[in-house]
Amino acid sequence: DGGITQSPKYLFRKEGQNVTLSCEQNLNHDAMYWYRQDPGQGLRLIYYSQIVNDFQKGDIAEGYSVSREKKESFPLTVTSAQKNPTAFYLCASSGQLATNEKLFFGSGTQLSVL
Amino acid sequence: QQQVKQSPQSLIVQKGGISIINCAYENTAFDYFPWYQQFPGKGPALLIAIRPDVSEKKEGRFTISFNKSAKQFSLHIMDSQPGDSATYFCAAQNTGFQKLVFGTGTRLLVSP
Repeated sequence: DGGITQSPKYLFRKEGQNVTLSCEQNLNHDAMYWYRQDPGQGLRLIYYSQIVNDFQKGDIAEGYSVSREKKESFPLTVTSAQKNPTAFYLCASSGQLATNEKLFFGSGTQLSVL
Repeated sequence: QQQVKQSPQSLIVQKGGISIINCAYENTAFDYFPWYQQFPGKGPALLIAIRPDVSEKKEGRFTISFNKSAKQFSLHIMDSQPGDSATYFCAAQNTGFQKLVFGTGTRLLVSP
């Protein structure tokens, strides 16, 4: 089955702790994205990557970090600098969004603070 | 300039009725307008999309109406069904840029 796999589905973070959300895709897509979803605020872009070993900050990158060492993988680390991390995190991929190819989303990770 | 304003925030429609969700934008460089549908606990999925060279696009019970001069576009769901209950996001993109700008979402509940 082709698609995007996010894990874990639920994650709890203790204060001062860094946590990493996994995102893997087998769609052979070049571009990958991380969005944060909060009630009433829509989808806000955290980071995106158009090619391996390259990524750009989105609109709300502070307190987050990413890597893109493999085409298939785009993990997101929520650092202790992110003071309000509780949210639903969505990973997405596309062929090339610049040609209006659609985004494929994973099923998300719900992150909560203990 | 980069915002897409979406309304209403929530909507309750009776089965068989018409659901209407509206979006407005400021950036005239936007030239691609998709709608995404999200069921609880899932990621959004592309529902339908339009470019500004047409005023309307229909796919089954779903229609996008586009008003370029007013910089507004809307999603109409005809004969709404309980299975349509979901959150709907409008979005806009300036083709050539790698980012979609999403609206804040509309939670639709279709009552049986």
